[in-house]
Amino acid sequence: ETGVTQSPTHLIKTRGQQVTLRCSSQSGHNTVSWYQQALGQGPQFIFQYYREEENGRGNFPPRFSGLQFPNYSSELNVNALELDDSALYLCASSARGLNTEAFFGQGTRLTVV
Amino acid sequence: QKEVEQNSGPLSVPEGAIASLNCTYSDRGSQSFFWYRQYSGKSPELIMSIYSNGDKEDGRFTAQLNKASQYVSLLIRDSQPSDSATYLCAVGMNSGYSTLTFGKGTMLLVSP
Repeated sequence: ETGVTQSPTHLIKTRGQQVTLRCSSQSGHNTVSWYQQALGQGPQFIFQYYREEENGRGNFPPRFSGLQFPNYSSELNVNALELDDSALYLCASSARGLNTEAFFGQGTRLTVV
Repeated sequence: QKEVEQNSGPLSVPEGAIASLNCTYSDRGSQSFFWYRQYSGKSPELIMSIYSNGDKEDGRFTAQLNKASQYVSLLIRDSQPSDSATYLCAVGMNSGYSTLTFGKGTMLLVSP
C-alpha cells in the first residue's frame, strides 16, 4: 500500500459528459501528478500540481483540468468526454526536490460509451 | 521529444532463471530512473530507483544505469511466477518538479 488513494475505482460515462476524479496524496508528499494510461501503453503525463498551482503539463487539451487543495489532495476534471478518454487514470504522489520517488494510487478506470 | 523505449515482449523465462529487462532513453538531461511493476488491471508499483551510473541491488532486483549509452536495465534473479507482470521503465529530469516519461513496458512471463 502506498498511502495514495483514488476515487472512484471504476466509472462509466457517456460521451459529452464531464467527470471528476479524486486523489489523496501520501502523508508528507506535497506534489501530485496525473497520468493517463491507455490499454497496452505506458502512462502519459497529464499535469502536475504543487502548492495548489499547475506546475507542468503534458500534451493534453484544455478540457483536462485540475485542482490541488491545501491538504495536497487533488482533482482531475475532464469535460466533453470523448471515447478515446477511456483509460486508467493514475495519480502519483511525491515530495518536492531532487531524487524523489513517485508512488501511484490504485487508479480510476474510466469507460466512455 | 523525450522517448523511452522498451521491448514489449513477452519475455519468457523459467522459474529460478534471471530475467533481464532493458530500456533506452533519448533525453541526455535525464537524471532519475525508475522501474515500476504493473500487474494486469492494477496500478504501477515502484520497485527500483537509480540515479547514478553503475549497479544498485535490492533483494532479487538489480538496476543498472549507463548514462553514456542512455541505457538502464533491470535484472531479476531467481525469477518466480509471481514476478509475471509488465515492467515499466520511467525516466525523470530531476529538476525539482520532475515528471516521468514512461516506456510502454515489457511483459515478463515466468513459467513454473
